[in-house]
Amino acid sequence: QVQLQESGPGLVKPSETLSLTCTVSGDSGGSISSTYWSWVRQSPGKGLEWIGYISYSGTTTYNPSLKSRVTISRDTSKNQFSLKLRSVTAADTAVYYCARQGLGFGVVTNMDAWGKGTAVFVS
Amino acid sequence: DIVMTQSPDSLAVSLGERATITCKSSQSVFLSSNNRNFLAWYQQKPGQPPKVVIYWASTRESGVPDRFSGSGSGTDFTLTISSLQAEDVAVYFCHQYYSTPFTFGQGTKLEIK
Repeated sequence: QVQLQESGPGLVKPSETLSLTCTVSGDSGGSISSTYWSWVRQSPGKGLEWIGYISYSGTTTYNPSLKSRVTISRDTSKNQFSLKLRSVTAADTAVYYCARQGLGFGVVTNMDAWGKGTAVFVS
Repeated sequence: DIVMTQSPDSLAVSLGERATITCKSSQSVFLSSNNRNFLAWYQQKPGQPPKVVIYWASTRESGVPDRFSGSGSGTDFTLTISSLQAEDVAVYFCHQYYSTPFTFGQGTKLEIK
């Protein structure tokens, strides 16, 4: 069973860069060189918001609302993928989740495994 | 962006009774080439990440009790819990993965009456 674990600072100053890493483990579908890997955040004000994903081949797709500030990258040797969100403000305060998205019928499918989430405060 | 709108925002149902949550998308999430609706339902309990219960609009995730069912097509979808159990108290979200940016409904809080 795949497991995902977010890590990174819980407090970031305004205008600085939020950096999180998701470590993926497990035998079943646990390689980041397979399927799609997403970042999602959740805040009381905006609910669940998809930030973007990195594919099995390393290509990325971002939410246009955040695209100018986001970079998702990966380290296949460590089976990790990472999120960088630049120029943060209080509006970026949220619980950040990493998640696996499936690949079916040749397209990306729903999120079927999630990390426990990490709370990030911008202050 | 595809906007997902759920109703109601909160719902109180007696134990053993039926709970029904609806979700409407601002455009169709049905892909005719594979005859699938790109719609999932998630259950989220306090302090936990969302957990998928239904995908492809009506396919139950492995391990999810059969009292959970999903229906609908195109732009209108329903999640039904046929006989509410105490452990079903949670917030439920619908989610479209038809097109990026992927989007979620605002959530429906399900409680025991």
